[in-house]
Amino acid sequence: GQNIDQPTEMTATEGAIVQINCTYQTSGFNGLFWYQQHAGEAPTFLSYNVLDGLEEKGRFSSFLSRSKGYSYLLLKELQMKDSASYLCALGDMRFGAGTRLTVKP
Amino acid sequence: SQTIHQWPATLVQPVGSPLSLECTVEGTSNPNLYWYRQAAGRGLQLLFYSVGIGQISSEVPQNLSASRPQDRQFILSSKKLLLSDSGFYLCAWGRGVGGRAIETQYFGPGTRLLVL
Repeated sequence: GQNIDQPTEMTATEGAIVQINCTYQTSGFNGLFWYQQHAGEAPTFLSYNVLDGLEEKGRFSSFLSRSKGYSYLLLKELQMKDSASYLCALGDMRFGAGTRLTVKP
Repeated sequence: SQTIHQWPATLVQPVGSPLSLECTVEGTSNPNLYWYRQAAGRGLQLLFYSVGIGQISSEVPQNLSASRPQDRQFILSSKKLLLSDSGFYLCAWGRGVGGRAIETQYFGPGTRLLVL
């Protein structure tokens, strides 16, 4: 069996930092993905973590702790265009329900 | 670079009619291919995945089927659509080991299906 949990909605202010958490349970871990999905569009790949630790890509960073079944996506210097849903997925391509982030001026 | 195509972009079909959605990938060989459905305001539901020609794994029992007649072609079909089949259908490809994706996964633009 497998569960992937994320908060349903989050709100943050332009220029701020926001952390979106994802917890999971799986019988076999093969990496964790983060995607961004704007309304009405297909998801776009953001990051992939297979080892513990932090991976940084510009304003976005993703962290993984395999022992805790936990990951987060960190978005810095938020921009209005970052308003989107953020999806956490495991390597067998099962997705969490997504976190809808609203960035306010 | 890799490109993934899906068509049509939008489709309106009556209940009971057949369905065929096509997905093709360029710029890679022997990819893992996936079909997902996303209902309005919901998460992605994995429907089928394929690790090679003629190899299809079904995740959710329903009136849909999938086929992979060529390495870079993945087709989603139904003989008789239901109202509940409405949604956003997304094809994706990824490098993988068995049915699991590693490193990267990319989505096509999707097909929005409305069954009336």
